[in-house]
Amino acid sequence: EIVLTQSPATLSLSPGERATLSCRASQSVSTYLAWYQQKPGQAPRLLFYDAFNRATGIPARFSGSGSGTDFTLTITSLEPEDIGVYYCQQRRGWPLTFGGGTKVQIK
Amino acid sequence: EVQLVESGGTVVQPGGSLRLSCAASGFTFSNFAMTWVRQAPGKGLEWVAGLTSSGKTAYYADSVRGRFSISRDNSKSTLFLQMNSLRADDSAVYYCAKDVVPDDYVWVFDFWGQGTPVTVSS
Repeated sequence: EIVLTQSPATLSLSPGERATLSCRASQSVSTYLAWYQQKPGQAPRLLFYDAFNRATGIPARFSGSGSGTDFTLTITSLEPEDIGVYYCQQRRGWPLTFGGGTKVQIK
Repeated sequence: EVQLVESGGTVVQPGGSLRLSCAASGFTFSNFAMTWVRQAPGKGLEWVAGLTSSGKTAYYADSVRGRFSISRDNSKSTLFLQMNSLRADDSAVYYCAKDVVPDDYVWVFDFWGQGTPVTVSS
């Protein structure tokens, strides 16, 4: 099983600041990594798949990068509506696995 | 508009069975792989099972293999999850979700239902 480790567990930033979220895989997943955002009380929302392919309707302030075992989700200028938990997910091997999540909150 | 509506979640005793349904609309259901993901209270996401668009090939998490069965009825645009031998650690909100790409198997999910809660307790 491919284990995904996300860091930090919690990120507290002020509006307008840059947020950098990390996802590290226990073995190479090539670029087969997706990112999701889950706001409180809502279902997850796809942000990126295959590392950097932006899903429909995702604002340009979000970007995804990385390959192999190290991936990054960046929010260039944090907006209040960006609060929530962010998860990475790999599709390189079975079973599909998710990271433990990074909670983004406004300072 | 794509819609996924889960149903069937309830309180069930340990060792019991439950069948979840996910009614799909707004897209050609038979063209997309589908999946179930669960989330225990206050916890992260856990992938449970996935099924190809034809229904011929299913994949399972180790934690549910042999107890859960995923299936679909493409004529009714509905996905199912049959859950047997339920345990307390199966308690979670269960989401169904659709694959992002039609006629292929990417196993990334762009639309999710709102979830149905399952509680396993005596």
